[in-house]
Amino acid sequence: DSGVTQTPKHLITATGQRVTLRCSPRSGDLSVYWYQQSLDQGLQFLIQYYNGEERAKGNILERFSAQQFPDLHSELNLSSLELGDSALYFCASTKDPRVGTEAFFGQGTRLTVV
Amino acid sequence: GENVEQHPSTLSVQEGDSAVIKCTYSDSASNYFPWYKQELGKRPQLIIDIRSNVGEKKDQRIAVTLNKTAKHFSLHITETQPEDSAVYFCAASEMNRDDKIIFGKGTRLHILP
Repeated sequence: DSGVTQTPKHLITATGQRVTLRCSPRSGDLSVYWYQQSLDQGLQFLIQYYNGEERAKGNILERFSAQQFPDLHSELNLSSLELGDSALYFCASTKDPRVGTEAFFGQGTRLTVV
Repeated sequence: GENVEQHPSTLSVQEGDSAVIKCTYSDSASNYFPWYKQELGKRPQLIIDIRSNVGEKKDQRIAVTLNKTAKHFSLHITETQPEDSAVYFCAASEMNRDDKIIFGKGTRLHILP
């Protein structure tokens, strides 16, 4: 157990719908990263938050948004879902990215869009 | 932005032999290079990392080398065992800037009996 909790583990929804993925970082970790992993693909960086503020953005679609709350948990919102959004979404957390510490991953949320 | 290329995408080696996975990065400002292992159906986990002020780091059967001039780094696994079968990801990050961790596309390593 990495200490990073993601809910739900599985999500099946229809095209055009909106879903929210939730991530609770390890206790004491200030930074949260979101990644998308499609079948046989690598880990595509979506967005990073540090202590409540957006710190870096990757190839995140405009239909996707995220935020980190005062208690440091984070949510990734995916809207107007398309079949191609089906993937495993990982959240990872680090204590302080400025010193290059290990990123701990959650078990992922598998999203299936039908 | 940073781009990380990883080769090969698939690698099969005989048990007991060595495996080498290579990565290149584009942003010369990157200074932290972790390697993650992802077993089937599981989350990625850090196996070793190296910072730009070090050329080589070793941890038992695993070693990583870094060539800053050429902007490439490699993972070496010696005396491979069946449990080494997994997908391996290299990554690059610049500490103290935006800190985003950019991953390569992964190498699927098969250890043959």
